[in-house]
Amino acid sequence: DGGITQSPKYLFRKEGQNVTLSCEQNLNHDAMYWYRQDPGQGLRLIYYSHIVNDFQKGDIAEGYSVSREKKESFPLTVTSAQKNPTAFYLCASSISRQKNTEAFFGQGTRLTVV
Amino acid sequence: GENVEQHPSTLSVQEGDSAVIKCTYSDSASNYFPWYKQELGKRPQLIIDIRSNVGEKKDQRIAVTLNKTAKHFSLHITETQPEDSAVYFCAAGTGRRALTFGSGTRLQVQP
Repeated sequence: DGGITQSPKYLFRKEGQNVTLSCEQNLNHDAMYWYRQDPGQGLRLIYYSHIVNDFQKGDIAEGYSVSREKKESFPLTVTSAQKNPTAFYLCASSISRQKNTEAFFGQGTRLTVV
Repeated sequence: GENVEQHPSTLSVQEGDSAVIKCTYSDSASNYFPWYKQELGKRPQLIIDIRSNVGEKKDQRIAVTLNKTAKHFSLHITETQPEDSAVYFCAAGTGRRALTFGSGTRLQVQP
């Protein structure tokens, strides 16, 4: 079950705290993505990166930040500015953006604000 | 940007019947249309995909059709089985942006 790994699987955060979700892939993929999944709303794009040291905002980037210092890693920080952070977060990767190919997903991190 | 709409949101069928899920997209530049299956508590996994230069693709009991003129594509599952029960997502994309997903269809196959 390798390829793309997210950690932790469950995360609890107090209001006002920043938390960082980890996403690592050993598929040598150029492109990486973060999606948020809420019940009945499908997957919404938070941030994506097509190459190291470059990333773009998705549809719901407010309250989130990312970095892409290494090809293998694309961590997501949920800041205190995100008003409703409780959700299931999915990281994905694909070979490259030049040619549309399958996106491989991690197992997800379920974040709960307590 | 792209907007993908998916219907129905829930679908219940008897085992052995067929199931059809439909999606529409808004951006005529979209050229890649994958379908993902997500079982409860698990990651989404690709089950079939189609590119804009093809009108139909089949893989055993699963088929996808694409109508570029109308900007819609559909997933067809024949001879459904209880293990087909899951949430199915359609998506649309191009090489320039990430995939945009539909809102999902919860399929229940009744034994």
